[in-house]
Amino acid sequence: DVKVTQSSRYLVKRTGEKVFLECVQDMDHENMFWYRQDPGLGLRLIYFSYDVKMKEKGDIPEGYSVSREKKERFSLILESASTNQTSMYLCASSFRGSGNTIYFGEGSWLTVV
Amino acid sequence: KNEVEQSPQNLTAQEGEFITINCSYSVGISALHWLQQHPGGGIVSLFMLSSGKKKHGRLIATINIQEKHSSLHITASHPRDSAVYICAVRSGGSNYKLTFGKGTLLTVNP
Repeated sequence: DVKVTQSSRYLVKRTGEKVFLECVQDMDHENMFWYRQDPGLGLRLIYFSYDVKMKEKGDIPEGYSVSREKKERFSLILESASTNQTSMYLCASSFRGSGNTIYFGEGSWLTVV
Repeated sequence: KNEVEQSPQNLTAQEGEFITINCSYSVGISALHWLQQHPGGGIVSLFMLSSGKKKHGRLIATINIQEKHSSLHITASHPRDSAVYICAVRSGGSNYKLTFGKGTLLTVNP
């Protein structure tokens, strides 16, 4: 079974803190994604990576950065957390190509106070 | 930009009922996904389809490319089917970008 593991399920951080959300997948997928999910807005893509050290901005990259140093690991970084980044963050992965299933992690609930 | 509309937003059913959730999109796609999200967050992929119909257990997904419409059916619904069902489309020419509907919250009462 494909496993996408997010390091933290629930986090509470203070405004201005640097926050790291880690994601690891075990299926040698090329593509990895970070989404955020907010009530009434659905899932929105923050960043996408299609290979090691490669990244592309999604729809809402402002206030976020990412790192992919190894194929299996994709990190989302909030350089200076703000209250409007309180959200559910979901990591996902898939093989390259449009005909492939996407697999999601369990999600990380981040509260910024 | 592809717009994805789901209906209904909320659906309450009695155990055993036949359920249909609809998804419409605005531009051509290469694939459509149906996803299930239970309370607590994790999302599971139910189907990926680009034409025709797929069946898995009590779940059936259909797509009509010409009409830009897909339906997810659940036969003999059960309380454990209670979840949010999300439609997502991958636009033609995109390797990766999915556009998501806002989801349909299904509650199945015993």
